[in-house]
Amino acid sequence: GDSVTQTEGQVTVSESKSLIINCTYSATSIGYPNLFWYVRYPGEGLQLLLKVITAGQKGSSRGFEATYNKEATSFHLQKASVQESDSAVYYCALSEISSGSWQLIFGSGTQLTVMP
Amino acid sequence: NSKVIQTPRYLVKGQGQKAKMRCIPEKGHPVVFWYQQNKNNEFKFLINFQNQEVLQQIDMTEKRFSAECPSNSPCSLEIQSSEAGDSALYLCASSLSRGPQNTLYFGAGTRLSVL
Repeated sequence: GDSVTQTEGQVTVSESKSLIINCTYSATSIGYPNLFWYVRYPGEGLQLLLKVITAGQKGSSRGFEATYNKEATSFHLQKASVQESDSAVYYCALSEISSGSWQLIFGSGTQLTVMP
Repeated sequence: NSKVIQTPRYLVKGQGQKAKMRCIPEKGHPVVFWYQQNKNNEFKFLINFQNQEVLQQIDMTEKRFSAECPSNSPCSLEIQSSEAGDSALYLCASSLSRGPQNTLYFGAGTRLSVL
């Protein structure tokens, strides 16, 4: 079945440094899955950070970027300069139609801690 | 910010007890999902609805879990006889339509502890 892999469970970065959170996926459909990054800030619910539904395209939001790379089956999240307020848990996810319905499949999440 | 409302935030039950949680989807969203997130941060899809109709559900929900989304009432997820392994964060999410490109809007979740 489909799966999403985030290799880093925890990442610690100093404020103003660059960030990359890795995400690779495996999708079984003949088309291309839709790719998402969701984020959970402390004390808040899960919310969409960005999404890309077309292979080769880049999504961006709040200074974060992710490019849908179908050759590498990757959707890494990057930010040039992180802030303390970016500390949160980030989840990579994919969705595609399966058996006439669809669901969102999540990675295991990456806890980002930004040090002042 | 999401306007999906889940109640209660915390639920503590003994083994064998019923556990019921509710969800009000965002206004105008006919599609509702329930997910279970365990202590390892793994998400498990449980069931989804479009209006009152079940679209898809996993085998687990067909046994001890039941869910409904009645018209003009909150959606609900109920565990008939709670087990220790059911301890998790239960997330409700809603969406504008059933297409896979649509964004899911999540509630804050109900954290169930089964003692």
